[in-house]
Amino acid sequence: QKEVEQNSGPLSVPEGAIASLNCTYSDRGSQSFFWYRQYSGKSPELIMSIYSNGDKEDGRFTAQLNKASQYVSLLIRDSQPSDSATYLCAVKEDSNYQLIWGAGTKLIIKP
Amino acid sequence: DAGITQSPRHKVTETGTPVTLRCHQTENHRYMYWYRQDPGHGLRLIHYSYGVKDTDKGEVSDGYSVSRSKTEDFLLTLESATSSQTSVYFCAISGGQGTEAFFGQGTRLTVV
Repeated sequence: QKEVEQNSGPLSVPEGAIASLNCTYSDRGSQSFFWYRQYSGKSPELIMSIYSNGDKEDGRFTAQLNKASQYVSLLIRDSQPSDSATYLCAVKEDSNYQLIWGAGTKLIIKP
Repeated sequence: DAGITQSPRHKVTETGTPVTLRCHQTENHRYMYWYRQDPGHGLRLIHYSYGVKDTDKGEVSDGYSVSRSKTEDFLLTLESATSSQTSVYFCAISGGQGTEAFFGQGTRLTVV
């Protein structure tokens, strides 16, 4: 059974601090990795995608991938109250049409 | 925003009745997915399609069927709705293997 694990939280971070979200996956054949943000009552929206080892930065967001250790993380710098949401990690094999989803981490940014 | 429209957005139906949810895309993407999302379970794949008339089952397909007669439309049918199918249903589209998925607004279905 292929699995993606996330700490369900809630993770509480002060405004302006760095929020660190982690995700581990079981399938070593995974090639594509995604972070989605989901506000309460809304649909998931893509924040970052990462395909190779290392860091990928986009504005205040940095995705980090370590295939040897089978984890992917998302850092949010200068956290804002508007970043409060559930963050979903998704993993995909290139040979498979499906995304495997983590259950999500609820992030709360305290003003 | 990706052009994905789900209809209806909200529906209340009675146990035992058939229900069809529609997903319409304007992106000409090949892959389309139906998920359900329930508290404590995250997103679970019901069915997916990799082309017109090409569909396959996901992890929670029992009680559901799908059809895709055109690239832009993917229909999810609950053959005989049960209370356990009360959920939020999301359609997603993807341009290809290994690429990101984009979601519709969701359909909140209540079976009473």
